[in-house]
Amino acid sequence: GQNIDQPTEMTATEGAIVQINCTYQTSGFNGLFWYQQHAGEAPTFLSYNVLDGLEEKGRFSSFLSRSKGYSYLLLKELQMKDSASYLCAVRDSNYQLIWGAGTKLIIKP
Amino acid sequence: EPEVTQTPSHQVTQMGQEVILRCVPISNHLYFYWYRQILGQKVEFLVSFYNNEISEKSEIFDDQFSVERPDGSNFTLKIRSTKLEDSAMYFCASTTGRYESNQPQHFGDGTRLSIL
Repeated sequence: GQNIDQPTEMTATEGAIVQINCTYQTSGFNGLFWYQQHAGEAPTFLSYNVLDGLEEKGRFSSFLSRSKGYSYLLLKELQMKDSASYLCAVRDSNYQLIWGAGTKLIIKP
Repeated sequence: EPEVTQTPSHQVTQMGQEVILRCVPISNHLYFYWYRQILGQKVEFLVSFYNNEISEKSEIFDDQFSVERPDGSNFTLKIRSTKLEDSAMYFCASTTGRYESNQPQHFGDGTRLSIL
């Protein structure tokens, strides 16, 4: 079966750094996406990795290791508005997105 | 920036009734998707659509569900006879090309479907 694991919830402090991990087992791999989802809203695209390594985009970075089936999303200089769920999604051999359950990130002042 | 738009934002329906959820994908996008998300749970794939036909569908997308692109802009999801367990947020998404590696799916704001 296909499986994507993320921690259910994490807490961090405003201004700090947080790393959200994602491990996956899917039938094939054609890229990994991170989305942000505020409560009651649509997922919005954050980052994409298809090759091993780090992709940096402002305060957000995402890392991929295909051999380990592992990715993380790194958020720096946390702001209160970063409180949201962060969804890891893998595109499988059929180019279908398989979603993790999401990590709810709580930012405290 | 172009957006995926969905209507209505909230639909309340009696069990057993038919519902149609509407989406207008981004105009130059070719692949369209429907997802659902039950409150507090993960996003679940329902169906993908390309060139006026279904590309893939999940086990959730049974005979009670259908999709249609009735004209050049709208993309609809119909649930023929709703059940209580159909209550969820339904998201429409679109992308330029299925195989274009770095193109994300763009999501609409969703329709919250409540079955009574």
